[in-house]
Amino acid sequence: AQKVTQTQTSISVVEKTTVTMDCVYETRDSSYFLFWYKQTASGEIVFLIRQDSYKKENATVGHYSLNFQKPKSSIGLIITATQIEDSAVYFCAMRELYQGGRALIFGTGTTVSVSP
Amino acid sequence: DAAVTQKPRYLIKMKGQEAEMKCIPEKGHTAVFWYQQKQSKELKFLIYFQNQQPLDQIDMVKERFSAVCPSSSLCSLGIRTCEAEDSALYLCSSIDREEEVFFGKGTRLTVV
Repeated sequence: AQKVTQTQTSISVVEKTTVTMDCVYETRDSSYFLFWYKQTASGEIVFLIRQDSYKKENATVGHYSLNFQKPKSSIGLIITATQIEDSAVYFCAMRELYQGGRALIFGTGTTVSVSP
Repeated sequence: DAAVTQKPRYLIKMKGQEAEMKCIPEKGHTAVFWYQQKQSKELKFLIYFQNQQPLDQIDMVKERFSAVCPSSSLCSLGIRTCEAEDSALYLCSSIDREEEVFFGKGTRLTVV
């Protein structure tokens, strides 16, 4: 069965530093997509970055990057040079390409607080 | 701005009343999903439409919800008889050809 696990419930950092969030997933599909989303205080879900399972290179978008370790079924999110506005809840999600339907399966989220 | 539009943003219903929320997916997107989120916890999948046809849904939706996507430009999710446990943020999302997923800003339902 597909499952996404985020064990860190909350992380506090000082702005301009780097924060790393963990995510592990379970799947029997040979191809899948991994996503990170951010949920703002208003509830809006914002897409951040994506990793396709067949790609070996870690995805990078702006100050977001991924640490994709396929043998460990792990997809960590790294935010460098954090800003106050990075404070939010971060969700890891997965979608299988062939099995399990096309719905995203979400982790329970990690709350990040960035302070001055 | 979100590529997916949801209306209304806020909805207050009494127990036993019917509720309806709407979603306008991004033009050209053929797959639409509804999720339920309680108290900022994980998003729970409810139902999935592909080309206006429901392809997957959880038992709760079959029993108490009504969902349709009569056209690629308008979908709706309804609750026939609201219960307190239905209070949540309901999020609609759609997928483009590149498999990118876009979310609306959600409808926050409060059942009193």
